[in-house]
Amino acid sequence: EPEVTQTPSHQVTQMGQEVILRCVPISNHLYFYWYRQILGQKVEFLVSFYNNEISEKSEIFDDQFSVERPDGSNFTLKIRSTKLEDSAMYFCASRKTGLGEKLFFGSGTQLSVL
Amino acid sequence: QKEVEQNSGPLSVPEGAIASLNCTYSDRGSQSFFWYRQYSGKSPELIMSIYSNGDKEDGRFTAQLNKASQYVSLLIRDSQPSDSATYLCAVNREYGNKLVFGAGTILRVKS
Repeated sequence: EPEVTQTPSHQVTQMGQEVILRCVPISNHLYFYWYRQILGQKVEFLVSFYNNEISEKSEIFDDQFSVERPDGSNFTLKIRSTKLEDSAMYFCASRKTGLGEKLFFGSGTQLSVL
Repeated sequence: QKEVEQNSGPLSVPEGAIASLNCTYSDRGSQSFFWYRQYSGKSPELIMSIYSNGDKEDGRFTAQLNKASQYVSLLIRDSQPSDSATYLCAVNREYGNKLVFGAGTILRVKS
């Protein structure tokens, strides 16, 4: 089965530093997402991306966050100035169409902000 | 009111028994419903999707949907220790294409 690939699997950074989390969605998928999960808490939606623009974002996705699809394959999440509370598992996901289609998740990037 | 609510558990069942997991959602216009399984430290893995009222069976799993009651359930027959995980209910709301997840129910199957 095709896979969503995320790198790195673990990222440790100092508070205030910028981090970029990388994802390669499945090649024929059109909708891309970032979710996060703080340890022991639920999976939370951050942002969805379609047709080279943000289609929806949550209140968590403030000005410190940005997403980009710099080429035909990569999808990145940038956190400009990390805070302690940004420590979480970040999941990239993709699906072929929007409503109702199976959402494929990557294996996640564990971000630790010290 | 939470958008998607699940009992956090843990739900403990003996090996071979039926495990019953429940979920309610608040948006009456929700269109698509999913059950994901998540092992500790891993990403969610889709088990079942259901779109219309009634039951849908896939192997040992049966999803049930009642839109009038805004209720989704997952039955796991012949539960195995390997089924021990957190089960996440996810709902695609009427507007927008994001999935909204519940907090999950921890299932423990005792051998």
